[in-house]
Amino acid sequence: SQTIHQWPATLVQPVGSPLSLECTVEGTSNPNLYWYRQAAGRGLQLLFYSVGIGQISSEVPQNLSASRPQDRQFILSSKKLLLSDSGFYLCAWSVAGFTDTQYFGPGTRLTVL
Amino acid sequence: EDKVVQSPLSLVVHEGDTVTLNCSYEVTNFRSLLWYKQEKKAPTFLFMLTSSGIEKKSGRLSSILDKKELFSILNITATQTGDSAVYLCAEPVYNQGGKLIFGQGTELSVKP
Repeated sequence: SQTIHQWPATLVQPVGSPLSLECTVEGTSNPNLYWYRQAAGRGLQLLFYSVGIGQISSEVPQNLSASRPQDRQFILSSKKLLLSDSGFYLCAWSVAGFTDTQYFGPGTRLTVL
Repeated sequence: EDKVVQSPLSLVVHEGDTVTLNCSYEVTNFRSLLWYKQEKKAPTFLFMLTSSGIEKKSGRLSSILDKKELFSILNITATQTGDSAVYLCAEPVYNQGGKLIFGQGTELSVKP
């Protein structure tokens, strides 16, 4: 069966510091991968998605970036965090070619102080 | 622009009550509508609906889609405190790598 991992679970970072969040998926090949941010406990905002290694589509211009160095690894980064980057970051995957249902990782709660 | 709107935004009921959550959508090239339940952490998948009028059911939860009127409902019968969560509906955007557009969610609180 497929599982999705995210780490760390929680993170407190000062403004201006770098960020690296990692997501890995097991039990499937060539998944579509997604990064979402959820602020204030409600609507999910898609940040990036990837349909293959090295292929990243950005949805929202901001100081975040994403990379997919391996088939089942998705990384969210920032060189300098802003206060507004605080939120709950969720990674998700879906089956390539049948992309509708997405399955979410446990999430990372980021607080920028 | 594709859009998903949920109502109500929040709801408080007592155990044993039946609730109906609403999701309306405006999308080009409809493919499906998805429902998720989110308690504290990651959303968990509940249903995917593709055809009008066909009810999907899982225990006390059921959902149906109306493609003519562009909405879906999620029903929960005999609610329990464990049903307390945010319920999200979402639409995949056509031809954009499976991008999902989410509604704001309905926060359901079930009191004992």
